[in-house]
Amino acid sequence: DTGVSQDPRHKITKRGQNVTFRCDPISEHNRLYWYRQTLGQGPEFLTYFQNEAQLEKSRLLSDRFSAERPKGSFSTLEIQRTEQGDSAMYLCASSLERTGELFFGEGSRLTVL
Amino acid sequence: QQQVKQSPQSLIVQKGGISIINCAYENTAFDYFPWYQQFPGKGPALLIAIRPDVSEKKEGRFTISFNKSAKQFSLHIMDSQPGDSATYFCAAPRRGKLIFGQGTELSVKP
Repeated sequence: DTGVSQDPRHKITKRGQNVTFRCDPISEHNRLYWYRQTLGQGPEFLTYFQNEAQLEKSRLLSDRFSAERPKGSFSTLEIQRTEQGDSAMYLCASSLERTGELFFGEGSRLTVL
Repeated sequence: QQQVKQSPQSLIVQKGGISIINCAYENTAFDYFPWYQQFPGKGPALLIAIRPDVSEKKEGRFTISFNKSAKQFSLHIMDSQPGDSATYFCAAPRRGKLIFGQGTELSVKP
C-alpha cells in the first residue's frame, strides 16, 4: 500500500494525558498537512510542512499541540494535557507542491474521556 | 478561517436524479477549486477540480460549473447512484493549504 498511513487509528485517553499520532506520507510527496475534523464539519487546517520545515501553524492551534517532521519523511502530532474538546478525527495528508492535490490518510480518531 | 461556504448541508436525491451542491468563496485570488468526496471512516479523496480559466469541467457523471462573477462554483452529479452517498466538500487554496467547506451529506435513495 503506497498511500498515506496513520497510526494509531483509534486512541482513547483520559483528560490530562499526552497523545502522539504518526503519519507516513506518500514517499515522493514533499508537503505534509495535519487537519482536524469533528462530526458534521469539514477538515480544519492545523499545520503543514514542506520537507522538514513547518511553514504554517493555525492560530486556532493551542500551544499544547506540536508537530514535527524530522528529515522530511514521517510526521508526528503530539497533544499535551488533552482536553475533552480535543476529541476529533486527526487527518494527515500529503501532496506534491506543484499539483496541489491532497492525498489523505484514513485518520486517527481521538476520544478524550 | 472559513472562506468557503457550502450549501445545502444535506441532500436527499432519488436514484437517477441530479445532485447539485453549491460553494461560495470570498477571496478572488483563489485559482483552484476542488471537490473532495468522503465516505464514513475514510479520509477525503479528490473527486474533481477546476481552475478559473474555464467555466465548466466534466468527468464522467461529475461536472463542476464555475461562475467567477458570482464567486461561486457548484458540483453536479448526473444519474446519481446509491454508491454516490457520501459527504462532499468544496475547498479553495490559501497560502499553500486547502480551506474546506463544511460539507454536504448526500444520500441517494434506490
